[in-house]
Parts: sequence; structure tokens; C-alpha cells
Amino acid sequence: DTEVTQTPKHLVMGMTNKKSLKCEQHMGHRAMYWYKQKAKKPPELMFVYSYEKLSINESVPSRFSPECPNSSLLNLHLHALQPEDSALYLCASRFGSGTSGVPEDTQYFGPGTRLTVL
Amino acid sequence: DAKTTQPPSMDCAEGRAANLPCNHSTISGNEYVYWYRQIHSQGPQYIIHGLKNNETNEMASLIITEDRKSSTLILPHATLRDTAVYYCIVARGSARQLTFGSGTQLTVLP
Repeated sequence: DTEVTQTPKHLVMGMTNKKSLKCEQHMGHRAMYWYKQKAKKPPELMFVYSYEKLSINESVPSRFSPECPNSSLLNLHLHALQPEDSALYLCASRFGSGTSGVPEDTQYFGPGTRLTVL
Repeated sequence: DAKTTQPPSMDCAEGRAANLPCNHSTISGNEYVYWYRQIHSQGPQYIIHGLKNNETNEMASLIITEDRKSSTLILPHATLRDTAVYYCIVARGSARQLTFGSGTQLTVLP
């Protein structure tokens, strides 16, 4: 089973709202990722969590706040977003063995949350 | 960063083999090449990966040149459901970050 789930599938929010995106995996993966994908563009990395600790922040604005409460769950808290933040937000996970190339080192993606900021 | 270059689009007739090329001339010796595809508005789907040997799985084959500067993804019998954007990526860093390029839009024609 290589399933990563994301909720909600779609989210519409105003610029003053606070909302959260949720990502879950039960594959025992210890590395989890948030990507942002604008229309007709490739995904761009936002954050990486490794063993529940934030290891990479790709200079993402503070209105995006990630959280990893446990090894299976990854949240992205949203506050005071702008219309240009409208995008598909993708979560991915990886075993995180530290050994490149072994099958369990592959990143598996969820279906994404389509976010629209009005 | 090991960047990749792919043609922006390709067409393939249904039932024929689709051969998608990728150039990764700055790849380092211990970096793997990964292939993903993304069907419209869905999450990227893992296809295959390799280091220097050719690889095959139930979805595709991956041919890597001896100098590792380029590779080709082969879908042996393309179907309409294989229409997607295909990304060739060199995973980098301790977190195996994936830096997506522009990819190749493969359209399988009936």
C-alpha cells in the first residue's frame, strides 16, 4: 500500500480566514513533504519534515505554517493568504532510510488539495 | 543542482511504444534519476528510477546511457490513459528533494 491521503480535496477561503490542510500516511514513512503547484507549472517544494522535525523550509512566507504532530500526520496551517496563493497543494512521503535509490526511498504523493483564495 | 531537460511535448499512437528522452548532463555519480507522471490535476505518480543500470517494472523501462548524462523512459504499449505530463527528476540532498522541471506532455492518440 503506497497511499497518501489529503483532506480536504477542495478548499475555498477568504483572505482573512484560517484553515488547515491535512496529510496522512500509514506506511511508516519518516520523511514528509509539502509542495505547491500553480496551474500549468511543475510542483515546487515548500517544506520537508524528517523524523517529525522541520528540516527544510524553501523560504516560504510565514502565512504558511507546517506542523507534524506525529510520524503519520502532516498539517499545513493557512492564515491571511493572498489570491496568488491559490494552487494545488501536494503532500508526499518517503521512508527516509537515508540510502538513495532503495525502493522504500521513493516519494509517494497524495492527490492534492485544490485551494482557492478569494 | 542536477537539472534535467525534456522536450515540452510528444505524441504517440495508441499501442505503440512511447520513448521519452531526458538530458541530465550535470548528474553526480551517486544521484538517482526518477520518473514521475502527472495526469491532469492529480498528484504525481511514481513510475521508475535508476542509477546506472537499465531498469524495468510493470509500468515502464528506463534506459540510462553509460555516461549517465541522459536517459529514456519507455512505455512499451501506450494507451490513452498514459496521456500525462512526464517528469524526469534527479533527486538531490539528504532529504532527496525532487526539483521538478517542465516535463514532457505526452499525448497518446487513438
